[in-house]
Amino acid sequence: NAGVTQTPKFRVLKTGQSMTLLCAQDMNHEYMYWYRQDPGMGLRLIHYSVGEGTTAKGEVPDGYNVSRLKKQNFLLGLESAAPSQTSVYFCASIKVPNNEQFFGPGTRLTVL
Amino acid sequence: KQEVTQIPAALSVPEGENLVLNCSFTDSAIYNLQWFRQDPGKGLTSLLLIQSSQREQTSGRLNASLDKSSGRSTLYIAASQPGDSATYLCAVVSGAQKLVFGQGTRLTINP
Repeated sequence: NAGVTQTPKFRVLKTGQSMTLLCAQDMNHEYMYWYRQDPGMGLRLIHYSVGEGTTAKGEVPDGYNVSRLKKQNFLLGLESAAPSQTSVYFCASIKVPNNEQFFGPGTRLTVL
Repeated sequence: KQEVTQIPAALSVPEGENLVLNCSFTDSAIYNLQWFRQDPGKGLTSLLLIQSSQREQTSGRLNASLDKSSGRSTLYIAASQPGDSATYLCAVVSGAQKLVFGQGTRLTINP
């Protein structure tokens, strides 16, 4: 089992560029999440999915879009990157019924 | 809205000491509480998961307790070692199985 993997590990964008972050899990988990981690702000939920084909907004969804076309993949898109989106992004999936969350290694994104 | 607070924000102790990290939450209607460890520049590693019906969980030198009625959890680390140095995060699961995180406690164990 690879667990939760994230692609890419690092990325530098210019303001206005777009990109997609990929999260994949091989544990057959239904629920998947995208968080961002910023100094002094802790981890904040961006979007989440409770199953294939579903998505929902979290605490800080503005400027991001997501898709869950396959159960094992959860994509996070930035349509027009802004410097405020410079952050470390973590993907997670949940094992039911005990609700233990498993995290990916993170993607460090810098927007210039 | 659920809020999670961790005190202290940073802690430095000599090797070998037993220590306690604190976590408090404002809404007692939680499904469970999870403690994580995060090393600098790395991801989150799950340490202990306590279900809402449980009072404590143990793993090796780590013991986590949960008091839902008072909105508190503690993480006890016995016989601390330099390798325990990391940031420890507390998170509670509320509606839709969403985690709400505390800001973390940065722990330094001095040899």
